[in-house]
Amino acid sequence: DGGITQSPKYLFRKEGQNVTLSCEQNLNHDAMYWYRQDPGQGLRLIYYSQIVNDFQKGDIAEGYSVSREKKESFPLTVTSAQKNPTAFYLCASSESLALKTQYFGPGTRLLVL
Amino acid sequence: AQSVTQPDIHITVSEGASLELRCNYSYGATPYLFWYVQSPGQGLQLLLKYFSGDTLVQGIKGFEAEFKRSQSSFNLRKPSVHWSDAAEYFCAVGPASGGSYIPTFGRGTSLIVHP
Repeated sequence: DGGITQSPKYLFRKEGQNVTLSCEQNLNHDAMYWYRQDPGQGLRLIYYSQIVNDFQKGDIAEGYSVSREKKESFPLTVTSAQKNPTAFYLCASSESLALKTQYFGPGTRLLVL
Repeated sequence: AQSVTQPDIHITVSEGASLELRCNYSYGATPYLFWYVQSPGQGLQLLLKYFSGDTLVQGIKGFEAEFKRSQSSFNLRKPSVHWSDAAEYFCAVGPASGGSYIPTFGRGTSLIVHP
């Protein structure tokens, strides 16, 4: 089955720790995205990538970093600079930035200890 | 820049009743419009989308939406709600021209279904 997988489902971060959220897709999509979801705020774009080895900041990139070394993978690192990381993180992909339908993974919930 | 408003934070309906979720957008040209549904703790699933053509769009799970340019709206409807429709619903709008596309999402409407 083609789709997007995210792991882990739950992740706990200690103070000052960097954590990495995994996102993998086997849809052969060029574009991938990371969103943050907080209650009552909808989805906010963190980073996106339209092709391997290229990525762009979204609306709330501070405290986050990404890489796109492989077409199927787009990991997100939540750094210690992100002071309020508790949220639900969603990864998405689309065939390209010009083709508009996004497909979403199941999400990772990040909690701070 | 485009924006999208979902005026209702929560909607409560009885099972079997009809449903309409509101979505208003602000965008200078013809937008691309989407409705997604999210069950608790899950990702978003695409219900339907409008790019061009017929302004009444049919989606999955018995949902439909109508694009009304004059009202800048794209309301989601279902004639008879099932208990399994209880979820969060998101409207999204994107630019109409080619090039990069990053949709803007509304804040969501939570649907509660009473038996």
